Amino acid sequence: QVQLQESGPGLVKPSQTLSLTCTVSGGSLSNNNYYWTWIRQPPGQGLEWLGYSFYSGGTDYNPSLKSRILISVDRSKNQFSLRLNSVTGADTAVYFCAGERIAEAATRYFDLWGRGTLVSVSS
Amino acid sequence: DIQLTQSPSSLSASVGDRVTITCRASQTIGFYLNWYQQKPGRAPKVLIYGASSSLSGVPSRFSGSGSGTDFTLTISVLQPEDFAIYFCQQSYVTPWTFGPGTKVEIK
Repeated sequence: QVQLQESGPGLVKPSQTLSLTCTVSGGSLSNNNYYWTWIRQPPGQGLEWLGYSFYSGGTDYNPSLKSRILISVDRSKNQFSLRLNSVTGADTAVYFCAGERIAEAATRYFDLWGRGTLVSVSS
Repeated sequence: DIQLTQSPSSLSASVGDRVTITCRASQTIGFYLNWYQQKPGRAPKVLIYGASSSLSGVPSRFSGSGSGTDFTLTISVLQPEDFAIYFCQQSYVTPWTFGPGTKVEIK
């Protein structure tokens, strides 16, 4: 079965760049049934969709993140990545990578999830 | 952005109870509404997609209904493993958004 695993620093200083990678195993990133997605959850709070990339590189981002975010895919490594610039304490959260499945009638849902990784923003 | 509200924000129930959680959207979203279950320290797990479509591996006691702006998740016979937080999520238009969650606790 397909599994996702996040990796990256657990601590980032304010104003610096948060970088995370999600490794897809047991399946191919080059799957046109999925959008590769990042979602975050501040401690004790709800879920926020950050954005996605299709395997061919098309992206969509949450406007709340303005120009700070970049999601990219590396098909040769079967990985996709998140970069979030100019971080503040408000970016402290558990970051999940996820696969958003494209289903019938244009329905879509997140059916693949990594375990999540806590990233704290602090000096 | 489409805002999702959930009610109640929390509830206490006993094993065997029937539980109903409501999700309301700030504008019509057709049937583009999904439900997730999240347990402490775990990633969410999808239970229902497209408002009422079931998924392989999800117990049949979970069902969804609704369309437009009002949706419901029902757990027909609450089991011990169902104590968790439940989120709704719209997939009608980006940015995808989630409801604030409903915590189902043991009575």
